[in-house]
Amino acid sequence: DAGVTQSPTHLIKTRGQQVTLRCSPKSGHDTVSWYQQALGQGPQFIFQYYEEEERQRGNFPDRFSGHQFPNYSSELNVNALLLGDSALYLCASSSGTGERSPLHFGNGTRLTVT
Amino acid sequence: GNSVTQMEGPVTLSEEAFLTINCTYTATGYPSLFWYVQYPGEGLQLLLKATKADDKGSNKGFEATYRKETTSFHLEKGSVQVSDSAVYFCAFNTNAGKSTFGDGTTLTVKP
Repeated sequence: DAGVTQSPTHLIKTRGQQVTLRCSPKSGHDTVSWYQQALGQGPQFIFQYYEEEERQRGNFPDRFSGHQFPNYSSELNVNALLLGDSALYLCASSSGTGERSPLHFGNGTRLTVT
Repeated sequence: GNSVTQMEGPVTLSEEAFLTINCTYTATGYPSLFWYVQYPGEGLQLLLKATKADDKGSNKGFEATYRKETTSFHLEKGSVQVSDSAVYFCAFNTNAGKSTFGDGTTLTVKP
């Protein structure tokens, strides 16, 4: 049973560039959420996708956008990268959007902006 | 606003010692509460959960009880092992799918 998979595992970009991160949810899951985790901190919610629509959004600027595909996989796009965007980006999937559903995380994409 | 405050680390214990990691939350409504664990080199994974007041979540010898009156969800284990060395995150869900996490507590267990 495949868990949540993310690609790439590591990425180095230059300030001002754009980046796309990818996520495939755990088999049977239809909801994908994205989190940003800075070093030494807990994950911060970016947004959630369900039925190919953004359902919830955290306190992140419009430079952060996403997409969900009919097969439930998802992309996170970040435009005009800033040095402060350097972090571990985590994808999490769940079954439905209920509050009782625990999250299943991928191993993350480590983004470094220079 | 919503927030989770958990015990600052790092925490270092000897094998077979008793573990408590404190967690309190501020949330509207009645959230579901979770503990996640991140072992070295691995992703976050669910350790245990509780979805209503007075529920006790348990797994792998770890326990936590949902205390609505004190808005707390402290993690405990009676006898830790070296293999329990990891980072532990307390979290809650209120609105669907929007989880709020604490900053994590690093536990090191020495033989």
